[in-house]
Amino acid sequence: EVQLVESGGGLVQPGGSLRLSCADSGFTVRSSHMSWVRQAPGKGLEWVSVIYSNGDRYYAESAKGRFTISRDNANSLVYLQMNSLRVEDTALYYCTRYVRAADGTGAFDMWGQGTMITVS
Amino acid sequence: DIQMTQSPSSVSASVGDRVTITCRASQGMNSWVAWYQQRPGKAPELLIYATSTLQSGVPSRFSGGGSGTDFTLTISSLQPEDFATYYCQQANSFPLTFGGGTKVEI
Repeated sequence: EVQLVESGGGLVQPGGSLRLSCADSGFTVRSSHMSWVRQAPGKGLEWVSVIYSNGDRYYAESAKGRFTISRDNANSLVYLQMNSLRVEDTALYYCTRYVRAADGTGAFDMWGQGTMITVS
Repeated sequence: DIQMTQSPSSVSASVGDRVTITCRASQGMNSWVAWYQQRPGKAPELLIYATSTLQSGVPSRFSGGGSGTDFTLTISSLQPEDFATYYCQQANSFPLTFGGGTKVEI
């Protein structure tokens, strides 16, 4: 069964840093576009960042300059380095696979169970 | 940025009801809208992509439609397992954005 498993969440003080990791089992991360989506407690979904299979990266405005997405193709891992964390970054962070067709159609077709970040 | 406005924010319905959720984009788009279902305490699941294409394994009672700025998700006959929160999402341009969600409850 294909799975995405996140790790690295926890409690951090404002201004602190954390690195989230996402590991796959069953498919090859290196050939996929991978993304992070977050959900604050009791709130909706917010896209954070995506890294394409060719290495191109895009960020939400809230993440620009503070978060960095990267990938380790050899070990099928995706990371989200989060610096200068703010109280408003408190959320459940989901690792997702982002599928994108030639016509630009895009959707998150696989989701992990999420890792919780609390900034307080 | 493209804002996605979902309505209603919540809807009360019964098993067997037909439910339609609307998502309005702040600017015209190609058919690049996806819909997700999130049950309490669970990760979201993809239901529909490219506005109307059903994800593999999703029951046919779910359907999507629309174009331009207005898109819909319809559940033709609500089942007990469909009581959940639904989100639309646009992939027309970055930043990728989601609607605020629609909670379908009894």
